[in-house]
Amino acid sequence: GQSLEQPSEVTAVEGAIVQINCTYQTSGFYGLSWYQQHDGGAPTFLSYNALDGLEETGRFSSFLSRSDSYGYLLLQELQMKDSASYFCASNRDDKIIFGKGTRLHILP
Amino acid sequence: ETGVTQSPTHLIKTRGQQVTLRCSSQSGHNTVSWYQQALGQGPQFIFQYYREEENGRGNFPPRFSGLQFPNYSSELNVNALELDDSALYLCASSPNRGGSTEAFFGQGTRLTVV
Repeated sequence: GQSLEQPSEVTAVEGAIVQINCTYQTSGFYGLSWYQQHDGGAPTFLSYNALDGLEETGRFSSFLSRSDSYGYLLLQELQMKDSASYFCASNRDDKIIFGKGTRLHILP
Repeated sequence: ETGVTQSPTHLIKTRGQQVTLRCSSQSGHNTVSWYQQALGQGPQFIFQYYREEENGRGNFPPRFSGLQFPNYSSELNVNALELDDSALYLCASSPNRGGSTEAFFGQGTRLTVV
């Protein structure tokens, strides 16, 4: 089967750093993507890792280890606007498969 | 703003009816995918169209069908609606099928089946 596992909820404090983990089991795997979705909004692309290692985009970084079938999204200098759901997704040649999402709660 | 537009934004249908949802892809994108998102869940892949042909399909029954037109806009049709079909339906376009490309999502159509 194909599945991605991530925590359902994470809570962090404004200004802090938070890591959202994702493990996957998919065939035809090209890479791991991360999407952000605010309540009532559409998912928006954050990052993509095709190779092992860390990709950095501003306050957000994403990591992939193909040998461990594992990745994470790192959010630094958390802001209240980062309160949202975050999805890891497996890119294949014919589809993108999403995890169930991690709800990020940020405390002031 | 991604340039992917969906219509209608909200829709209420009765069980057993049929519904057609529409999606206009971002300019230059030849691939469109449809997803169903239940409340509190991740988007579930329904199918993907690449240059007017179905390129992949998820675990959805045949009463879920689609079309992609020469201008790369797309429709999702659902026949014999069931209560469990109530969900947010998302359309996503990409410049190429699969691989490393990111998906650009529309705002979705909220379908309620009563």
